[in-house]
Amino acid sequence: AAGVIQSPRHLIKEKRETATLKCYPIPRHDTVYWYQQGPGQDPQFLISFYEKMQSDKGSIPDRFSAQQFSDYHSELNMSSLELGDSALYFCASSGWTSGGAPYNEQFFGPGTRLTVL
Amino acid sequence: DQQVKQNSPSLSVQEGRISILNCDYTNSMFDYFLWYKKYPAEGPTFLISISSIKDKNEDGRFTVFLNKSAKHLSLHIVPSQPGDSAVYFCAASPYGGATNKLIFGTGTLLAVQP
Repeated sequence: AAGVIQSPRHLIKEKRETATLKCYPIPRHDTVYWYQQGPGQDPQFLISFYEKMQSDKGSIPDRFSAQQFSDYHSELNMSSLELGDSALYFCASSGWTSGGAPYNEQFFGPGTRLTVL
Repeated sequence: DQQVKQNSPSLSVQEGRISILNCDYTNSMFDYFLWYKKYPAEGPTFLISISSIKDKNEDGRFTVFLNKSAKHLSLHIVPSQPGDSAVYFCAASPYGGATNKLIFGTGTLLAVQP
């Protein structure tokens, strides 16, 4: 079965540079979530989109922005990178069963490991 | 402010025995809870969930118990297998089941010894 795809898997940037992370949800999933997991920490919710509209916002810095496109893929844009932005960034997607019920879970991608030097 | 807590950072269990992972939460408005398993270099994989209207949900070797009055849930794995060795995250949703943001605990590293 198709899973959530994230690219790139690894990214190394310098301080003050920009980075773009991409997420391709499972086909027919209309909701995308972004989470950040720092070293030794739990995943923290950043932002989510439903049907291309922002649906919820968590602890996302103003330097970060995200959007969901018409094909439901999402991009997380990160500017003026700081050392503290080094983390694993997970994308998750959810949708609806063929019976019209929401899935009982969010499906996670493998993550993008961002290292800021 | 950690709203979902897993107080045991690690747990070691013998193969074939029961593994019990615990999770506490502070917000009584949480209405849906999930357990995820995570291997290194992979994303979290869903295991089992429970709605706040239930106190138990079972799926094969995995059972989740919810005690709303104590704001506590636990995951039981019986029998434990070496392949179960991973980090286990408890997560809670403040509303709308799994269709909204998840708030994660800090995780418990389970090691199942052959």
